[in-house]
Amino acid sequence: DVKVTQSSRYLVKRTGEKVFLECVQDMDHENMFWYRQDPGLGLRLIYFSYDVKMKEKGDIPEGYSVSREKKERFSLILESASTNQTSMYLCASSLSGPEGSYEQYFGPGTRLTVT
Amino acid sequence: SQQGEEDPQALSIQEGENATMNCSYKTSINNLQWYRQNSGRGLVHLILIRSNEREKHSGRLRVTLDTSKKSSSLLITASRAADTASYFCATDVSEGAQKLVFGQGTRLTINP
Repeated sequence: DVKVTQSSRYLVKRTGEKVFLECVQDMDHENMFWYRQDPGLGLRLIYFSYDVKMKEKGDIPEGYSVSREKKERFSLILESASTNQTSMYLCASSLSGPEGSYEQYFGPGTRLTVT
Repeated sequence: SQQGEEDPQALSIQEGENATMNCSYKTSINNLQWYRQNSGRGLVHLILIRSNEREKHSGRLRVTLDTSKKSSSLLITASRAADTASYFCATDVSEGAQKLVFGQGTRLTINP
């Protein structure tokens, strides 16, 4: 079974702190994704990585950066956390291929509160 | 950007009844996928239907796709309390895109 793990289920940080959210997948997937989920807004893509050291901005990249130094690990960084970044953060991974999207496997999510 | 939009936003039915959720999208797609999310958890993949397919089944789930109307439906037959969850459709865009765009979801409640 594919397993996607996230470093924390719940996280509380102060405004201005640098925050690292870690995601690890064990199925050698090429693609990894970071989403945030807010009530009434659904899932919105923050960043997408299609290979080691490769990344692509999603719909809401402002205030975030990412790092993918190893294939299995994709990190989301909040450079200076703000209260409007309080949200549920979901990581996912998938295979890559020429026929469009593949099934995405999600981690359990990290509920981040910025105070 | 909002590609898929589910309808209704919330649905409440009795256990044993069938539940139907709809999804509309705006642009051409390669695939459309449906996911389930139990409260406060990650999403779980249910079905992927390709643009050249019209219907797909998986257990009690039936998904249809009408590319001329840019719409899909998810039918859950003989619903159970454990089906209570939010259901999302997700679409990619054409030309080999790997990213998905998710709708806002339908919140399904199964009453005992």
